[in-house]
Amino acid sequence: QTVVTQEPSFSVSPGGTVTLTCGLSSGSVSTYYYPSWYQQTPGQAPRTLIYSTNIRSSGVPDRFSGSILGNKAALTITGAQADDECDYYCVLYMGSGIWVFGGGTKLTVL
Amino acid sequence: EVQLVESGGGLVQPGGSLRLSCAASEFTVSSNYMSWVRQAPGKGLEWVSLIHSNGNTYYAASVKGRFTISRDNSNNTLYLQMNSLRAEDTAVYYCARYCSSTSCPPVLRAFDTWGQGTMVTVSS
Repeated sequence: QTVVTQEPSFSVSPGGTVTLTCGLSSGSVSTYYYPSWYQQTPGQAPRTLIYSTNIRSSGVPDRFSGSILGNKAALTITGAQADDECDYYCVLYMGSGIWVFGGGTKLTVL
Repeated sequence: EVQLVESGGGLVQPGGSLRLSCAASEFTVSSNYMSWVRQAPGKGLEWVSLIHSNGNTYYAASVKGRFTISRDNSNNTLYLQMNSLRAEDTAVYYCARYCSSTSCPPVLRAFDTWGQGTMVTVSS
């Protein structure tokens, strides 16, 4: 079974830029996997950040951007702020009505 | 305001059953792709099931044959019937809308609306 991979943790300085990735244990991520990204703080429901590779959800600051980088989907946060410190998840559509979430990245801003 | 409200969680013994409900507001469940996503304590998100606007249903391998997703158009509510529950099914279960359009064009492909979640604990 294909696994969706994310960095377990990442650290960024306030004001800095960080790129989180979403890959496959086998193969390359393309736009046809319709990657989307979610932000989750402890005890809260996920918040949708990015649709379909690179479309920002309503109300999401333009500091958040999505793309395909090489063989992975990517979420880039520019000008990181303290309240960006939380968990980030990607999900890929694998076809045949199956979606798979990545394991999530815990982002630390310090 | 577009909203999803889950209910029905609780404590159940291994092998038992539970039915979760998700009431939708300001949009029609039957016209959208609707899904269940769960999160075990301290773990990541896991996609569980989806019902297409055309009624087709899909399941993760971990729940196939035990869980059934359905909807009630008159009540505008999504359900998840969970049978043969196991300890590893213990999680917060979120209801989520995938796509805000029946045709689900590429630009709308994401779980765009989430409920607050309902906790299911499977333990003796």
